[in-house]
Amino acid sequence: GENVEQHPSTLSVQEGDSAVIKCTYSDSASNYFPWYKQELGKGPQLIIDIRSNVGEKKDQRIAVTLNKTAKHFSLHITETQPEDSAVYFCAATTTSGTYKYIFGTGTRLKVLA
Amino acid sequence: ETGVTQSPTHLIKTRGQQVTLRCSSQSGHNTVSWYQQALGQGPQFIFQYYREEENGRGNFPPRFSGLQFPNYSSELNVNALELDDSALYLCASSLDGVGTQYFGPGTRLLVL
Repeated sequence: GENVEQHPSTLSVQEGDSAVIKCTYSDSASNYFPWYKQELGKGPQLIIDIRSNVGEKKDQRIAVTLNKTAKHFSLHITETQPEDSAVYFCAATTTSGTYKYIFGTGTRLKVLA
Repeated sequence: ETGVTQSPTHLIKTRGQQVTLRCSSQSGHNTVSWYQQALGQGPQFIFQYYREEENGRGNFPPRFSGLQFPNYSSELNVNALELDDSALYLCASSLDGVGTQYFGPGTRLLVL
């Protein structure tokens, strides 16, 4: 069935360093890949997304890369700050039919000051 | 803030009871999706409503049901509650079923 694997489950970095979170999806029909940040007690907040016709997208300190052949996509955060500490989820979906999101299991990022 | 609101924020029920959770979608959005997020896990898709009709369902039993109203707000109903139903229930609104989904803050349900 449809599945998204996410690694690592926890990640600790020093403030100012970079963080990379990787996801692999199983459904080759997936064509939209959003990333969400979830802080304690809150709902997931969209931080960046990418569509399958693009290999990379950047928004200030955040970037996402997509390798359709390998069915991999990754989140890159540069110059990390303590406020980046949260749980990050990747998701994959197809823009047809129900358009349900299949989420990864999450990565808890800790940025150490 | 996404403009998606959910009520109540927290709820405690006992096994066998029924619960209704509510969601108001972001202005202009006509699609609501519901997800269940167990502790330490990613959200799991329950079902989606588009223009008041169910538009797909995940692997959840029939005791999970929903409604969408003409103003596109939505309800999630769960009958015969089980301990494993304890989770954060999230709704997400989007446009025309294919737009980016924006999540509300969730309702945390505890079943004792």
